[in-house]
Amino acid sequence: DQQVKQNSPSLSVQEGRISILNCDYTNSMFDYFLWYKKYPAEGPTFLISISSIKDKNEDGRFTVFLNKSAKHLSLHIVPSQPGDSAVYFCAASAGRRAQKLVFGQGTRLTINP
Amino acid sequence: ETGVTQSPTHLIKTRGQQVTLRCSSQSGHNTVSWYQQALGQGPQFIFQYYREEENGRGNFPPRFSGLQFPNYSSELNVNALELDDSALYLCASSLGGGGQGSTNYGYTFGSGTRLTVV
Repeated sequence: DQQVKQNSPSLSVQEGRISILNCDYTNSMFDYFLWYKKYPAEGPTFLISISSIKDKNEDGRFTVFLNKSAKHLSLHIVPSQPGDSAVYFCAASAGRRAQKLVFGQGTRLTINP
Repeated sequence: ETGVTQSPTHLIKTRGQQVTLRCSSQSGHNTVSWYQQALGQGPQFIFQYYREEENGRGNFPPRFSGLQFPNYSSELNVNALELDDSALYLCASSLGGGGQGSTNYGYTFGSGTRLTVV
């Protein structure tokens, strides 16, 4: 039972354009969402998070949008840079102090020059 | 500030064998979580250790067990290895139990141990 889904295994975007990565979830108990970035041979690193009391959170070039009614979140990267090429994971938890994160399958983002 | 270190980086084992993976938590962190990432999948929560006790467990059989030591380092043990246990095993440290430690959820992941079972 995949509670967090990233339906696009890969995405290719031109440098300078907007990258939009999508994530859907099924568990209505999830109320805290995160995006992680992973380079090859490295562990995931935290990128940005959002609580269910908000519908948008912005940090520099990165913005996460949350649509609770649709159980959908998205990560926008503007403008996209070559260093953004990585695998991006969406993750969710039921409560900010929950022990575990539930991850999606990941989306491989490639930024082309 | 040292990050999370995991050893070994790569390991090949035979089906039925036992394996121990090690993790040193980031300085100042007292909580360690283990995740299994199969090929093409996202990380899946195995369990968490806080103050040397198991503090939450995912949907993994009892042959997956762990330890946390007084210095907060941790081991993941897997008995009776199966082919499906082949995966990247990630350790993440944090502070205070749960996943909270700072505004970024507090998890610092290691680079992982790639286990191949043949």
